Amino acid sequence: AQSVAQPEDQVNVAEGNPLTVKCTYSVSGNPYLFWYVQYPNRGLQFLLKYITGDNLVKGSYGFEAEFNKSQTSFHLKKPSALVSDSALYFCAVRDMSRRALTFGSGTRLQVQP
Amino acid sequence: NAGVTQTPKFQVLKTGQSMTLQCAQDMNHEYMSWYRQDPGMGLRLIHYSVGAGITDQGEVPNGYNVSRSTTEDFPLRLLSAAPSQTSVYFCASSYWGIPEETQYFGPGTRLLVL
Repeated sequence: AQSVAQPEDQVNVAEGNPLTVKCTYSVSGNPYLFWYVQYPNRGLQFLLKYITGDNLVKGSYGFEAEFNKSQTSFHLKKPSALVSDSALYFCAVRDMSRRALTFGSGTRLQVQP
Repeated sequence: NAGVTQTPKFQVLKTGQSMTLQCAQDMNHEYMSWYRQDPGMGLRLIHYSVGAGITDQGEVPNGYNVSRSTTEDFPLRLLSAAPSQTSVYFCASSYWGIPEETQYFGPGTRLLVL
């Protein structure tokens, strides 16, 4: 069965600094990986996904993610954090049997001014 | 396009009451699913459907029923609510057939069972 781990409950970063939100996965076969963001009292918004090809995936709002097959990781990154990036971030992997998403537990990002 | 819509936004129930959470999408997506979100646990799959008339169980289906009579609608029914069903419920939809398809989520329904 597939699984996703987000080892940090919370990440704190100062505005203007680079940020990284970590994600590791476990799947059999090719991984289809996704990042979503959830703002307070809102639904999940799609940020980016890795299917195949280039290991650096660019997404919405200046975010990017680096796929590393040997380390089974898919870390979310942004070169310069904004206060408005403060939110809950979820990493997910496609469940090939049900075609649903298996989510990590989420990482709360706090960007301080 | 309205995307994925859910009603109600918030609901309070007493233990043993029943209710239906509504979900609709206007993107002609074959695949629809329901998740629940609990603190520290991410989102967990309750039920899913790959098309009208076809539904199946997810990771945590107990206490919930679904049906899919049209492509657009995928209601979730709680037959006898329990406090353990206090959660935020999200509906999602996508095209079916290729695994890289993005799932789009509704705004959620916050349910409190007393």
